[in-house]
Amino acid sequence: DIQMTQSPSTLSASVGDRVTITCRANENIASWLAWYQKKPGKAPKLLIYKASYLESGVPSRFSGSGSGTEFTLTISSLQPDDFATYFCQQYSSSLLTFGGGTKVEI
Amino acid sequence: QVQLQESGPGLVKPSETLSLTCTVSGDSINIHTWNWVRQPPGKGLEWIGCVYYNGNTNYNPALKSRVTISGPTSKNQVSLRLNSVTAADTAVYYCARAAAGRTDFDSWGQGTQVTVSS
Repeated sequence: DIQMTQSPSTLSASVGDRVTITCRANENIASWLAWYQKKPGKAPKLLIYKASYLESGVPSRFSGSGSGTEFTLTISSLQPDDFATYFCQQYSSSLLTFGGGTKVEI
Repeated sequence: QVQLQESGPGLVKPSETLSLTCTVSGDSINIHTWNWVRQPPGKGLEWIGCVYYNGNTNYNPALKSRVTISGPTSKNQVSLRLNSVTAADTAVYYCARAAAGRTDFDSWGQGTQVTVSS
């Protein structure tokens, strides 16, 4: 199995902050990585696919980068609506796996 | 705009079978891949498996012996069956679409809570 490790697990930030979340794979997944935002009681929302492609309708303050084994999700200026949990997901292998999540809190 | 809606019993007894249906509207069900994902309380997301547009399936090996995903049907539905459930199968279950040509999940249902308890 490809294991995805996110850091940090919790992140405290303020509105307007630049926030960076890291996701590491234990083997090379090229750019086959997605980022999702999850709020309590809501369905996950796709933000970034193929490591750096912004999903349609997602604000441009979200960006993704990386390839191989190390990836980052950056929120350039944190907004009140962005307080949520973020998950990475690899789809390089036939067994799709998610990272453990990063909770962004006030 | 595509909409996905999960449905099924919210309470299942241990050792019995969990059965859920995902009903898709606003889209052609026969060209995409349909996935099931779950989130146990306080934990992360776990991919259960998927059914492709042609009816072929792919399962998480950790659950493969207990899982059956079927569809898509003419009623625009895909189904999940998980047998011999235990308390560890208590989770919110989501149906999610991977659009044709992609593997990321661009549309999700709202999820349905399933509790395994006697």
